[in-house]
Amino acid sequence: KQEVTQIPAALSVPEGENLVLNCSFTDSAIYNLQWFRQDPGKGLTSLLLIQSSQREQTSGRLNASLDKSSGRSTLYIAASQPGDSATYLCAVPNSGNTPLVFGKGTRLSVIA
Amino acid sequence: EAGVTQFPSHSVIEKGQTVTLRCDPISGHDNLYWYRRVMGKEIKFLLHFVKESKQDESGMPNNRFLAERTGGTYSTLKVQPAELEDSGVYFCASSPRKFRGFNTDTQYFGPGTRLTVL
Repeated sequence: KQEVTQIPAALSVPEGENLVLNCSFTDSAIYNLQWFRQDPGKGLTSLLLIQSSQREQTSGRLNASLDKSSGRSTLYIAASQPGDSATYLCAVPNSGNTPLVFGKGTRLSVIA
Repeated sequence: EAGVTQFPSHSVIEKGQTVTLRCDPISGHDNLYWYRRVMGKEIKFLLHFVKESKQDESGMPNNRFLAERTGGTYSTLKVQPAELEDSGVYFCASSPRKFRGFNTDTQYFGPGTRLTVL
């Protein structure tokens, strides 16, 4: 049974700092890995999707890496801004178009 | 392109009552998923439709929950009778089928319905 763990559970950083969020999963037979962002009271916004054959994906100030063999992914946020404050969720399906297994998320606060 | 929409955004009901949640997926998306997040826990899968067929309902907690997707468009999730532990945020997501081998597995989530059972 796939389990996803995210560390830390919460993080507070000053504006401008670079930061790393961690995600680990128990079953390395994943098809891809998605990072989501959730703002309070809102739905989930997909940030990055990394295919199992890829090592990383970049979008603006975000960079996600995937080490499938070790069951780990990191989300790197460069030059953090107060607008980055949200809960970041990591999720994996076991194969294409199958349900996602989520971690509990990391609640990020970027202080101006 | 309109995103996934859910109705209502909030629902407060008393224990024993019935509530029906609705999800409208992105037009043309064959896959529709229901997920739930209860307080303090991770988001968990409930049910997966491919068009109008239930592909996987292994996450449905019990027979008080009934999901339908007649015609393969919108979906409803009915809770009858509601219990206190059913409180949480119910998310719907959709994704297209693979087309010509192109990976389109991103799931697009709706804003969720916050259900409170008193």
